Amino acid sequence: AAGVIQSPRHLIKEKRETATLKCYPIPRHDTVYWYQQGPGQDPQFLISFYEKMQSDKGSIPDRFSAQQFSDYHSELNMSSLELGDSALYFCASSLFPGLKANTEAFFGQGTRLTVV
Amino acid sequence: AQSVTQLDSHVSVSEGTPVLLRCNYSSSYSPSLFWYVQHPNKGLQLLLKYTSAATLVKGINGFEAEFKKSETSFHLTKPSAHMSDAAEYFCVVSYQTGNQFYFGTGTSLTVIP
Repeated sequence: AAGVIQSPRHLIKEKRETATLKCYPIPRHDTVYWYQQGPGQDPQFLISFYEKMQSDKGSIPDRFSAQQFSDYHSELNMSSLELGDSALYFCASSLFPGLKANTEAFFGQGTRLTVV
Repeated sequence: AQSVTQLDSHVSVSEGTPVLLRCNYSSSYSPSLFWYVQHPNKGLQLLLKYTSAATLVKGINGFEAEFKKSETSFHLTKPSAHMSDAAEYFCVVSYQTGNQFYFGTGTSLTVIP
């Protein structure tokens, strides 16, 4: 079965550089979520999209932006990278929970970003 | 406030003994409840979810969870721990009024041979 695909799997950037993370949801899923997981921490919600519109927003820094495209894939753009941005970034997809209760999220394998 | 609390940050059990990982949620809305597992340097895998069809939910790898509305709890159990169960476990909640999944702080399960 198709899963959530994230690319790249690993990324090394220098401070003040930019990075773009990509997420391809499971086919027919209309909702995408982005999470950031620091070392030894629980995933922190960044932002979500439903039908290409931002649907919820968490602790996403102003230096980050994201969007969902017409094919439902999503990109997380990170600028002016800081050392503290080093983390595992997860993308998840689901059917829209507002329409169907108990809808689970399916997570990708994550992109490990290291800022040096 | 909508939140989920995992009562133990670390749990250590001997192989072959029962596992209990505790989770409580707080909300005025009916939640959707899930348990996810994360093995080292891996992604998040769904163990089970509460669907309201039954209060006792069976998941993969022999795990179960019981939904107790009166206690606002959704504890995860397994009768007999296996070495391969060593991982980080997250209790996760979502609500139809929002569009995010709320994670507990996680419980690290260690299985002693």
